[in-house]
Amino acid sequence: QKEVEQNSGPLSVPEGAIASLNCTYSDRGSQSFFWYRQYSGKSPELIMSIYSNGDKEDGRFTAQLNKASQYVSLLIRDSQPSDSATYLCAVEYGNKLVFGAGTILRVKS
Amino acid sequence: DARVTQTPRHKVTEMGQEVTMRCQPILGHNTVFWYRQTMMQGLELLAYFRNRAPLDDSGMPKDRFSAEMPDATLATLKIQPSEPRDSAVYFCASGRQGYQKELFFGSGTQLSVL
Repeated sequence: QKEVEQNSGPLSVPEGAIASLNCTYSDRGSQSFFWYRQYSGKSPELIMSIYSNGDKEDGRFTAQLNKASQYVSLLIRDSQPSDSATYLCAVEYGNKLVFGAGTILRVKS
Repeated sequence: DARVTQTPRHKVTEMGQEVTMRCQPILGHNTVFWYRQTMMQGLELLAYFRNRAPLDDSGMPKDRFSAEMPDATLATLKIQPSEPRDSAVYFCASGRQGYQKELFFGSGTQLSVL
């Protein structure tokens, strides 16, 4: 069974700090990895995609991928209260996206 | 502003009734996915289509759920008969086949089966 594991949290960080969210996956053959943000009562929203080993930066967000360790992470710099949400890691398995259970992030002002 | 449109937003029904949820994917997208989200199970994949053809519905209880895509602008998910354990938020998502497999989600249907 294809699995995507995330720490459910909640992860609490002070405003302005770096939030680090982590995800591991079970299938070495996966090629596409995504981070979605979901506010309470809303639908998941794509914030980052990453396909190659290394780092990918977009504004305050950095996605990191290590295929050898089967590990994906999301860093949020200068965290804001508006970043408080559930962050879902998604991994492609044969044209399907499998989601982790999500990590709740709380940014305290 | 391209978006995935789902109807209805909310549905309350009684056990045993038929429920139909509809989804209009983003124009030009050729993949459509149905997910169910609950607190206990998170996001579960129910079914997905590519170019209107069903590719995988292994996540769906076959005896009561059915998914179809009668044309490129409409996907449906039906539950008959509905049961209280079907209460969840049902999301439709669409995307383009290819190397970049980003999915875009609709607002979801909040289903309550009493």
